[in-house]
Amino acid sequence: ILNVEQSPQSLHVQEGDSTNFTCSFPSSNFYALHWYRWETAKSPEALFVMTLNGDEKKKGRISATLNTKEGYSYLYIKGSQPEDSATYLCAFPDTGNQFYFGTGTSLTVIP
Amino acid sequence: GAGVSQSPSNKVTEKGKDVELRCDPISGHTALYWYRQSLGQGLEFLIYFQGNSAPDKSGLPSDRFSAERTGGSVSTLTIQRTQQEDSAVYLCASSQLGGTSTDTQYFGPGTRLTVL
Repeated sequence: ILNVEQSPQSLHVQEGDSTNFTCSFPSSNFYALHWYRWETAKSPEALFVMTLNGDEKKKGRISATLNTKEGYSYLYIKGSQPEDSATYLCAFPDTGNQFYFGTGTSLTVIP
Repeated sequence: GAGVSQSPSNKVTEKGKDVELRCDPISGHTALYWYRQSLGQGLEFLIYFQGNSAPDKSGLPSDRFSAERTGGSVSTLTIQRTQQEDSAVYLCASSQLGGTSTDTQYFGPGTRLTVL
């Protein structure tokens, strides 16, 4: 069993604030790192698949960076909006079969 | 097109009863995963199907859990003699290829199981 940790566990920010959170994973045998957003009463939705050290991906106001050597990825949200409220999950595949998920960061954006 | 669907969305059962949870993956996706999320825990891998290959059952927590995938499409997760610790949200996901670490998984809305 691989240890994938996310911090903080929960976060409350004001609308318009920028924020970021962390996913830590084993730095050995790296294949890829996935980020998902899970809104209440909806299905988890894929955000990014990151594969290369130094990778940076962007989707609108959300971006992510990857450091495979030290085993972490940051997710950034610029100018948070209430619709960004969700749980953000990262997943670390050890092979193609098993994906190890963190417990998620629950983000609440206060209008 | 249609996404991954799961049924039922909610299931309340009594301890000791058997339950069946259903997953309809995206058409054409060869890989199918089952996960569960217990309260305060991360998503826990249960089982993985890839085409016609033997499933990877290494995540099933006990022999009360079983799953099958008929015709490479619909999957059913069966929990026999349910226990209170089985209460969780059960999520199904499918991916186009499977067996690769970069393949995106598409999740269903989940089944919330409550065992009284």
